[in-house]
Amino acid sequence: QVQLVQSGAEVKKPGASVKVSCKTSGYIFTGYYIHWVRQAPGQGLEYMGCIHPNSGGTRYAQNFQGRVTMTRDTSITTAYMDLSRLTSDDTAMYYCAREPPDTGAFDIWGQGTMVTVSS
Amino acid sequence: QSALTQPPSASGSPGQSVTISCTGTRSDVGAYNFVSWYQQHPGKAPKLMIYDVTKRPSGVPDRFSGSRSGNTASLTVSGLQAEDEADYYCNSYARSKNYVFGTGTKVTVL
Repeated sequence: QVQLVQSGAEVKKPGASVKVSCKTSGYIFTGYYIHWVRQAPGQGLEYMGCIHPNSGGTRYAQNFQGRVTMTRDTSITTAYMDLSRLTSDDTAMYYCAREPPDTGAFDIWGQGTMVTVSS
Repeated sequence: QSALTQPPSASGSPGQSVTISCTGTRSDVGAYNFVSWYQQHPGKAPKLMIYDVTKRPSGVPDRFSGSRSGNTASLTVSGLQAEDEADYYCNSYARSKNYVFGTGTKVTVL
């Protein structure tokens, strides 16, 4: 079945970077955008950006431009999200999600990766 | 890109209907058919409930329906059941070529 499995929880110090992985299986990796969404504790969902695994093309939300980098490794059907210059405001659950072609919707989600930024 | 506006809460008794609004602008909700809705239970990842404004993914009960009028999209849950108690978020593609989520609505089944 289609699955997105994310890497484990991270604890980082302010100013550091974090890289979260999203291992996919059960479908053609290069045919679907992968999006990243985060959710701070007790807060709503915040869109971060996306990558198309075939071309490697990316689009980043304005709030994260200059600080986020999304990449992929097609040989292991895995997408990555790298966020730099972390502050306590980046403490959140980070999700990857798949978008079927021409739907603008996120049909399958990863289980989430908790990133805690604390000195 | 500002978040889409949703009411913070909505409620209804079992069997009743509840409708959640999602207000955007002519640059997002009013401009594209890429409007979707997500259900999120505590501690869980979001689940797609509606896409393309009105379409239901396979496996989503037909008690869930979506609509749009102008710059406002709506999600209606008919025949409320206890398991429908959750947070609901709308999402839309935007002219900035990115996506934006709504502020979220907590649905309580009385």
